Amino acid sequence: DAKTTQPNSMESNEEEPVHLPCNHSTISGTDYIHWYRQLPSQGPEYVIHGLTSNVNNRMASLAIAEDRKSSTLILHRATLRDAAVYYCILRSFSGGYNKLIFGAGTRLAVHP
Amino acid sequence: DGGITQSPKYLFRKEGQNVTLSCEQNLNHDAMYWYRQDPGQGLRLIYYSQIVNDFQKGDIAEGYSVSREKKESFPLTVTSAQKNPTAFYLCASSREVDYEQFFGPGTRLTVL
Repeated sequence: DAKTTQPNSMESNEEEPVHLPCNHSTISGTDYIHWYRQLPSQGPEYVIHGLTSNVNNRMASLAIAEDRKSSTLILHRATLRDAAVYYCILRSFSGGYNKLIFGAGTRLAVHP
Repeated sequence: DGGITQSPKYLFRKEGQNVTLSCEQNLNHDAMYWYRQDPGQGLRLIYYSQIVNDFQKGDIAEGYSVSREKKESFPLTVTSAQKNPTAFYLCASSREVDYEQFFGPGTRLTVL
């Protein structure tokens, strides 16, 4: 299974943009890049996903490198509610289901 | 409102006792999943079910059992054979052909 590498932690100030990096050098051609986030003592929440092209939604933007070996989750204006652990995940269709492999993620702290 | 419910939020059991964690969804999703999360770590897949009356082992199925008699329900039993059962347990569901997994709020199990 392809793995992802993320920094253990990052910090940001409120209302500033945040760029959360993720390396996935062993990604295969059919792996989708997913981002989930998890607030303390809650279940993970889907943020965004993409395959090759950059993606935007109401929560964030996902920038994918041309070689697909890295990607960046962009929060355009961080708020205190964005403080969470962010997981970069490669979704591979294996054994008949969409398999998500969660790493340790990046813990984002947002300062007022 | 559609969603996934897990009960109870906190559960305490004595060592050697079996315990069953509840997971119910009203999203009409075919696929359901159980994950385990230990402090400071990502999620690990215990079991998953693609359709009713069918389920498959995940990465850490030993000491756990599941059933899928109804589309809406996917209970997880933590048996006495599970050597280190204290953890945060998360249930998720997804549409058969979709990619996004929706997570419940989790059950924190403590074995004394």
